Amino acid sequence: RKEVEQDPGPFNVPEGATVAFNCTYSNSASQSFFWYRQDCRKEPKLLMSVYSSGNEDGRFTAQLNRASQYISLLIRDSKLSDSATYLCVVTPTTDSWGKLQFGAGTQVVVTP
Amino acid sequence: DAGVIQSPRHEVTEMGQEVTLRCKPISGHDYLFWYRQTMMRGLELLIYFNNNVPIDDSGMPEDRFSAKMPNASFSTLKIQPSEPRDSAVYFCASKRRTGGSNYGYTFGSGTRLTVV
Repeated sequence: RKEVEQDPGPFNVPEGATVAFNCTYSNSASQSFFWYRQDCRKEPKLLMSVYSSGNEDGRFTAQLNRASQYISLLIRDSKLSDSATYLCVVTPTTDSWGKLQFGAGTQVVVTP
Repeated sequence: DAGVIQSPRHEVTEMGQEVTLRCKPISGHDYLFWYRQTMMRGLELLIYFNNNVPIDDSGMPEDRFSAKMPNASFSTLKIQPSEPRDSAVYFCASKRRTGGSNYGYTFGSGTRLTVV
């Protein structure tokens, strides 16, 4: 079983709609959680961290469910520019600080 | 801030040849990471350094791969001899440790390696 698993998609989303997707992780001791965004043929870039209490950044909302070991990302009012691959990222444990484990990514395609 | 700089951007080489990828981290960052990305395996951590010292190289696929960081502003990843299955995008990333946070983890633009 992979340590970080994501639905690869693609999620085809009409412009202006809402899309949400999850990521599951296998290590219950995982410490930190992030969503990265990667555009086609570009490098990954940090989108947002995921806090236990949930957090918002504009149209983006991230949630963490430690009991079920998943994190989620919700995008409201989707824009064409939101088309990208969204990578779920986990820092395994405190003694492996700095090591990020990446999921394979969820592709989102926003259509006009 | 010029960001993490990688060179070359693209590399096409023949099987058996030596390939050297280069990375200049962001000034002041004390961690440097080498990742490899393929369609099949996604992003894989190969090795990372802290203050120029290799900390974890468990992701290096085999002895054909080696990485060095002779100083705080330069690192290389070498493949010798190269094989077609090494074809991938290789990313370098750097960060500065700030209270244990993983903020400021910046990737370079990557080197797209094709081994024919």
